[in-house]
Amino acid sequence: DTEVTQTPKHLVMGMTNKKSLKCEQHMGHRAMYWYKQKAKKPPELMFVYSYEKLSINESVPSRFSPECPNSSLLNLHLHALQPEDSALYLCASSQDPYEQYFGPGTRLTVT
Amino acid sequence: RKEVEQDPGPFNVPEGATVAFNCTYSNSASQSFFWYRQDCRKEPKLLMSVYSSGNEDGRFTAQLNRASQYISLLIRDSKLSDSATYLCVEPFMDTGRRALTFGSGTRLQVQP
Repeated sequence: DTEVTQTPKHLVMGMTNKKSLKCEQHMGHRAMYWYKQKAKKPPELMFVYSYEKLSINESVPSRFSPECPNSSLLNLHLHALQPEDSALYLCASSQDPYEQYFGPGTRLTVT
Repeated sequence: RKEVEQDPGPFNVPEGATVAFNCTYSNSASQSFFWYRQDCRKEPKLLMSVYSSGNEDGRFTAQLNRASQYISLLIRDSKLSDSATYLCVEPFMDTGRRALTFGSGTRLQVQP
């Protein structure tokens, strides 16, 4: 079983809604990541937090807003999304910056 | 950013077969890679790391060929449960940032 948990597993939201995705890791890792994955495509990096500070933002639109309340938690706040934002959103954590462990993901559908 | 390239497959093999995938990369300075496995509608899971000395774990062997700039994953005695997409992953450092570049994946289907 993964030690990175994500909630909710599935989310359907309208384009005017505000919702949040949550991620928690129980391994004491110092870095946490958000990825977006479309069907039959590899994960695309969105954000990296290192020691609770945002270290990488891959030019993600402002309708996605990450937050790292503490070293174990990572949130992704969603507002005014578009249908093309529908995807699997994966959270990952790592101690070594390269060996990353993924959560099960949140499958998001924007209607 | 440099890229890694993979044959998307699918590779259809019978149970018990030996199958190998390659992944080519363009950054000649890269010294380590990872193979991740992703089952349908699941998250990627780290399978093994690959350094110049290679790596073997049970039925799985990964090798890095720096001269020809490719890495390989060999699976012996394939099981039905090996059916998945195998992602070749390159670590990179870009202006002080460390992250991973994922290949597009190779799909393996092991058939009874």
